[in-house]
Amino acid sequence: AQSVTQPDIHITVSEGASLELRCNYSYGATPYLFWYVQSPGQGLQLLLKYFSGDTLVQGIKGFEAEFKRSQSSFNLRKPSVHWSDAAEYFCAVGPGANAGKSTFGDGTTLTVKP
Amino acid sequence: SQTIHQWPATLVQPVGSPLSLECTVEGTSNPNLYWYRQAAGRGLQLLFYSVGIGQISSEVPQNLSASRPQDRQFILSSKKLLLSDSGFYLCAWSPGTGVTSEQFFGPGTRLTVL
Repeated sequence: AQSVTQPDIHITVSEGASLELRCNYSYGATPYLFWYVQSPGQGLQLLLKYFSGDTLVQGIKGFEAEFKRSQSSFNLRKPSVHWSDAAEYFCAVGPGANAGKSTFGDGTTLTVKP
Repeated sequence: SQTIHQWPATLVQPVGSPLSLECTVEGTSNPNLYWYRQAAGRGLQLLFYSVGIGQISSEVPQNLSASRPQDRQFILSSKKLLLSDSGFYLCAWSPGTGVTSEQFFGPGTRLTVL
């Protein structure tokens, strides 16, 4: 069975500081990995995805994530956090299209201090 | 381009009343469709998903049901709401064909059962 663990429920960083959100997954085959962001009271928006190729993927809003198969991890990073990045972040793992459904982690809430 | 609509945006219902939430997708054909629920401060709980008209898979036993009367329409229903049905309901779609299973989310419906 596939599963996703986001070890940090809540993270607080200062504006301008770097950010890393952790994601560990369990999946029996080649995973398709995703990071989504949710602002309060809104739906989720895809930040980036990985399914093959370069293990460092770039996304929107200056985010990047690195796939490490040996560690079963797909951590999200940003070099300099902006106040508008305060939101909830979800990591997800899934199969290819129309081959089943994705599994989401429980999310990490990011607070940005001025 | 594809868009996803949900309505209503906010709903307050008494315990025991019926429920109907609607989700429609534009700009794509034969999408996979999903209903999720978020309780306050919690992650995403997958309720139902559908790979085609009339094809519904239920993930969690409960007093909710889903229907897909048209290719791009997904409805979440209940005959009698419970207090525990309160939450934020999200509809999402993913491509029925292609490589990845990334999901695109609607804006959500905030349901309060009193």
